[in-house]
Amino acid sequence: EVQLVQSGAEVKKPGESLKISCKGSGYNFPNYWIGWVRQMPGKGPEWMGIIYPGDSDTRYSPSFQGQVTISADKSISTAYLQWSSLKASDTALYYCARRYYDSGSYYIDYWGQGTLVTVSS
Amino acid sequence: EVLLTQSPGTLSLSPGERAALSCRASQSVISSYLAWYQQKPGQAPRLLIYGASSRATGIPDRFSGSGSGTDFTLTISRLEPEDFAVYYCQHYDSSPKVFTFGPGTKVDIK
Repeated sequence: EVQLVQSGAEVKKPGESLKISCKGSGYNFPNYWIGWVRQMPGKGPEWMGIIYPGDSDTRYSPSFQGQVTISADKSISTAYLQWSSLKASDTALYYCARRYYDSGSYYIDYWGQGTLVTVSS
Repeated sequence: EVLLTQSPGTLSLSPGERAALSCRASQSVISSYLAWYQQKPGQAPRLLIYGASSRATGIPDRFSGSGSGTDFTLTISRLEPEDFAVYYCQHYDSSPKVFTFGPGTKVDIK
């Protein structure tokens, strides 16, 4: 069974750093692109970026380029989303998600359970 | 960059009624790159339709997708109580490998 299990909720102060994780299981982790999605309270999902764990090829959505860092360690089947200096506006629920390709179509077939990040002084 | 708009913002219907949700792209898109998701409170989105019209595994046949070019529709033929949720369309741009979501349509109970 495919699973993406994310790290637990975090409460941080503005200016602090943070790294959250997403561990994949039940499939060949290096061979599937993994993305990160932000969902702010009461809003729709926003795509942040994606990484191919096999070679760490990473692409960012323009809105998030330079704001976060996406990485992966294929040896432990884990992807990461990292901030160097959090802002209150980073308060949101963050999902990891697996990109799937099938017969010419691309879509997200599995999601993590979400990690709530709260940034408050 | 493709922008997606969804209408209506909220759809108030009764169980058993038919729902038609619209997704419009800012430019013509490849149909195979268009998907629909359902999200309930406290849950991650769930894939319903991919390739504009293919139902995902385990999705009931009351859900159907159609459309091409810039206009796409998700239809729920007869609303069941568990179908009241928010629905998002999504487009994939293969060059920067970016997904874009629409703002969503909330289907609530009338």
